[in-house]
Amino acid sequence: QSALTQPASVSGSPGQSITISCTGTSSDVGGYNYVSWYQLHPGKAPKLIIFDVSDRPSGVSNRFSGSKSGNTASLTISGLQAGDEADYHCSSYTGTSVVFGGGTKLTVL
Amino acid sequence: QVQLVESGGGVVQPGRSLRLSCAASGFTFSSYAMYWVRQAPGKGLEWVAFIWYDGTNEYYVDSVKGRFTVSRDNSKNSLSLQMNSLRAEDTAMYYCARGALGILVRPPDYWGQGTLVTVSS
Repeated sequence: QSALTQPASVSGSPGQSITISCTGTSSDVGGYNYVSWYQLHPGKAPKLIIFDVSDRPSGVSNRFSGSKSGNTASLTISGLQAGDEADYHCSSYTGTSVVFGGGTKLTVL
Repeated sequence: QVQLVESGGGVVQPGRSLRLSCAASGFTFSSYAMYWVRQAPGKGLEWVAFIWYDGTNEYYVDSVKGRFTVSRDNSKNSLSLQMNSLRAEDTAMYYCARGALGILVRPPDYWGQGTLVTVSS
């Protein structure tokens, strides 16, 4: 199972919106509505911010939103804040297991 | 609240063994499947091992099959990963992560902070 494809890096200024893509195939992202997104800060536990493509866990800001079109899922962060600077990883169910993306480093300028 | 705390990482020589542990609390551990997921330096996340809620089935990424063994003790709310014949490419941060209820396979939700494994001579 090949890893999902994410851009290595994205950047934005405070207050702006950014979108991170996560591209897979019809056997993973495109085939199931079980895509999750995680926020990774150094030294901290990865945090689930989106599950089932577009649902937010309790306590996660509504500035984070998820969507999917075909084989590509997307994470949008609106109203960028300095604290959003982190690595973001996607994951998808594959029918038998899960697969992760390569991760995207978000820089808040 | 859900807590997962890993331990057991360290520096080990190639070919040697290491055992990782994960202490779970804040949820009914025996009802959930569990993962070990790793992140090598500069790389993305990779699931390593997956075990059903009751421990009756285990699954491994191809690169660790025959070398790693995942197990759980539901009476102690603990998850383990026995890693044998370690290789340099096993160097990574290893995370314990909670899966879905029962035997469902879904991306993990809660994660621990990880324990670092470095394989080097």
